Amino acid sequence: AQSVAQPEDQVNVAEGNPLTVKCTYSVSGNPYLFWYVQYPNRGLQFLLKYITGDNLVKGSYGFEAEFNKSQTSFHLKKPSALVSDSALYFCAVRGYYGQNFVFGPGTRLSVLP
Amino acid sequence: NAGVTQTPKFQVLKTGQSMTLQCAQDMNHNSMYWYRQDPGMGLRLIYYSASEGTTDKGEVPNGYNVSRLNKREFSLRLESAAPSQTSVYFCAIGGGGATETQYFGPGTRLLVL
Repeated sequence: AQSVAQPEDQVNVAEGNPLTVKCTYSVSGNPYLFWYVQYPNRGLQFLLKYITGDNLVKGSYGFEAEFNKSQTSFHLKKPSALVSDSALYFCAVRGYYGQNFVFGPGTRLSVLP
Repeated sequence: NAGVTQTPKFQVLKTGQSMTLQCAQDMNHNSMYWYRQDPGMGLRLIYYSASEGTTDKGEVPNGYNVSRLNKREFSLRLESAAPSQTSVYFCAIGGGGATETQYFGPGTRLLVL
């Protein structure tokens, strides 16, 4: 069965500092991995995805994520955090055989001015 | 959330009442999904429709029914609402192929008293 873990409920970072939001996964076969962001009272917005190829994936708003197959991780990163990055972040996975998306519980990111 | 609309935005029901949540898309995707979001639990799939005329159960289908009226519209019905169905409901489209991104509507907040 597929599963996604986001080990941190909350991440606090100072504006201008680098940020990391962690995600680990379990899936049969090759994984397809996604990051979404949710601002208050809004739906989820797609940030980036890993399908194949380069382990470092670049996405919207300056975010990137690193796929690590041996550690089954897909951590979201940004070199310099903005206060406007404060939101709820979800990691999601689906397997090669097209199973439905499985979402992690979410990590709340707070960027402090 | 362009391309996916949900109505209503907010609803209060009494236990035992029924209601239908509506979702419509203008992006011509075959696949449509209904999720519920509860704090600390991420998104859980209720039902999905891989194409017009087909529907399948997801992780938490009990207490819900769905109708894929045509390619554009996918509705979720609560026949007899319960307080446990208090949640935020999201419609999503896309994701029919394993590598395909899902796009989300703005959500419906439901409170069952």
